[in-house]
Amino acid sequence: QSVLTQPPSASGTPGQRVTISCSGSSSNIGSNYVYWYQQLPGTAPKLLIYRNNQRPSGVPDRFSGSKSGTSASLAISGLRSEDEADYYCAAWGDSLSGPVFGGGTKLTVL
Amino acid sequence: VQLLESGGGLEQPGGSLRLSCAASGFTFSSYAMSWVRQAPGKGLEWVSAISGNGGSSYYADSVKGRFTISRDNSKNTLYLQMNSLRAEDTAVYYCAKYDFSAPGYFDYWGQGTLVTVSS
Repeated sequence: QSVLTQPPSASGTPGQRVTISCSGSSSNIGSNYVYWYQQLPGTAPKLLIYRNNQRPSGVPDRFSGSKSGTSASLAISGLRSEDEADYYCAAWGDSLSGPVFGGGTKLTVL
Repeated sequence: VQLLESGGGLEQPGGSLRLSCAASGFTFSSYAMSWVRQAPGKGLEWVSAISGNGGSSYYADSVKGRFTISRDNSKNTLYLQMNSLRAEDTAVYYCAKYDFSAPGYFDYWGQGTLVTVSS
């Protein structure tokens, strides 16, 4: 059971907007930055969003992040087939030793 | 930036393995590094992190006392010594460039190396 809770799956059709949620507590998401990672099938994770809503260079502006209280969301607009991947949120963990990840959300493009 | 892991393989329960991660394309000694693992079909789990000079290191509770992270800045290489291996340590192990001031921030990842613990 992950400290950060994500829905196991999400889906959408090409062109649609989808959102993936990440729920935590006051000691992790509530008081720290949230990060999002995209993991395409058979590859290493890739940083998608940092500090709640910042995009690294090269990440399309179709991807956006937000945070409110103890929850965060990743939104993908103009959905494309190549967005089909697993998405993970991350934040500082309650144990004070390191970060924690959400359980991951598998996004399917129908 | 390139991170290239090696050292994975099949090991028996109770055995040991040492993973390596060769880094290039950035000033290795200036950055913290970390190991993150992913069990087959499962999500990501942070394992350990080390500061740029190697003076500070941290571990997940699941590996504390069994794994040791270290680095050789003269060789631009990160290590993970894994002792007393258990079946639940079976995973792909990724090394990643890390930022202690931004926990959860892994901006570059290697391709991973598979560790299988089985008799």
